[in-house]
Amino acid sequence: GAGVSQSPSNKVTEKGKDVELRCDPISGHTALYWYRQSLGQGLEFLIYFQGNSAPDKSGLPSDRFSAERTGGSVSTLTIQRTQQEDSAVYLCASSTTVQETQYFGPGTRLLVL
Amino acid sequence: AQSVTQPDIHITVSEGASLELRCNYSYGATPYLFWYVQSPGQGLQLLLKYFSGDTLVQGIKGFEAEFKRSQSSFNLRKPSVHWSDAAEYFCAVVMYSGGGADGLTFGKGTHLIIQP
Repeated sequence: GAGVSQSPSNKVTEKGKDVELRCDPISGHTALYWYRQSLGQGLEFLIYFQGNSAPDKSGLPSDRFSAERTGGSVSTLTIQRTQQEDSAVYLCASSTTVQETQYFGPGTRLLVL
Repeated sequence: AQSVTQPDIHITVSEGASLELRCNYSYGATPYLFWYVQSPGQGLQLLLKYFSGDTLVQGIKGFEAEFKRSQSSFNLRKPSVHWSDAAEYFCAVVMYSGGGADGLTFGKGTHLIIQP
C-alpha cells in the first residue's frame, strides 16, 4: 500500500518568509510525528499527534514553528519568518497507534537563503 | 535524559565481509529499540525492532541485532555485506509510558562505506 508522503520534496525560500510543509500519513494510522534532520543536530523529534491532538509541543524549536492535523489525516508543519538555521530535512512518520512502529516519509528538504 | 550513542561515525567494510554496527543507550528501563537505514536522498527505512522476547531479532536485507541488557547495547550485524548496503544507519529508542508517546531518540548515525 501507499506509504507516508510529503510535499513539497524540496523548498527554497527567502529568510523571513513563511513556509508550509505537508504530510500525508499511511491510511488508518492515527499517530503522526514530525522530525527534523540537520547536519549539526542530527535527527530531532519535534511533535506528535494522536488523532488531531498534539499533547506536547515542547519539542518545537521556537514559537515560529506550529503544526496542525485535521480530520485525523493530513498534517501541516508551518514555519513563520524562516531563518537560515531552519534549513534542514523535515521528516514525517506515522504509526497505527502511538506505541507502534513509525514509518517515515521521504522528507521535505528546506533551504532558507 | 535518554540518549543513544553510536560510537562509529564512519565504517569501511569490504564487500562480502561481516559487519557489526554498535549502539548503546542510556535509559532507566528497557526501551523499545530500532535500527533504521537511510540511503542518499531517501527517507528512513526500518530494518528491525526489539520490543520484548527473544533478544536476537531478525530484520530485512539479512540484518540481525542482539539486545544485551547488561551492556545496554543493541548492535546490528550482517554476515556478508553487499555494495547496496552502503548507507547511513541509525539506532533509535523510545520509551512508552502512561499510554502516551515520545518521539524516537536517534543516535548520530554510522556511515557505512563498502569497498570492492
